[in-house]
Amino acid sequence: NAGVTQTPKFRILKIGQSMTLQCAQDMNHNYMYWYRQDPGMGLKLIYYSVGAGITDKGEVPNGYNVSRSTTEDFPLRLELAAPSQTSVYFCASSYSTSNYGYTFGSGTRLTVV
Amino acid sequence: RKEVEQDPGPFNVPEGATVAFNCTYSNSASQSFFWYRQDCRKEPKLLMSVYSSGNEDGRFTAQLNRASQYISLLIRDSKLSDSATYLCVVREGSNYQLIWGAGTKLIIKP
Repeated sequence: NAGVTQTPKFRILKIGQSMTLQCAQDMNHNYMYWYRQDPGMGLKLIYYSVGAGITDKGEVPNGYNVSRSTTEDFPLRLELAAPSQTSVYFCASSYSTSNYGYTFGSGTRLTVV
Repeated sequence: RKEVEQDPGPFNVPEGATVAFNCTYSNSASQSFFWYRQDCRKEPKLLMSVYSSGNEDGRFTAQLNRASQYISLLIRDSKLSDSATYLCVVREGSNYQLIWGAGTKLIIKP
């Protein structure tokens, strides 16, 4: 049982480049999330999805886009990379939004130079 | 004022000792509370949910104080493997969003 799989683990981008962070889960969870974690800060929600075909903005969506064509996959797209997007990105999924915990992927460390 | 506030630490504690840390939250309508553990350069993992009456899981005890708007985590008989950052997480009502604290770093020394 793989849980939540994120790729790539590390990436260096130049300013203005684009990339897609991949996220896949095999737990049949409806809810999926993208977070970024900056040093000394709590996780910030970028986008979330409550099911295939449904996405919504979180707290810090600017500069990112997502899609959810299947229950399993929730890719995050950076269109024009900026140094402010240097961060660790975590994808997570959950069975529901009540007291169930989130399962996280192992993260993507992104540096924009 | 931060929505979820934690002492960043680090808390340096000898092995076998008991350690406790708190987390305060600003929204009195918050309904769900969690402690997550995050090892260095790893993803967060759920440690335990926090229930209104308090709850225990082995050496770990979580308490909720709604009147003063804080939750606490107590670790008894600490082990070297308890060294990690402990993240306090709060969910506000029916909002999908969780509010994450920045974490408290715990270092257990032999």
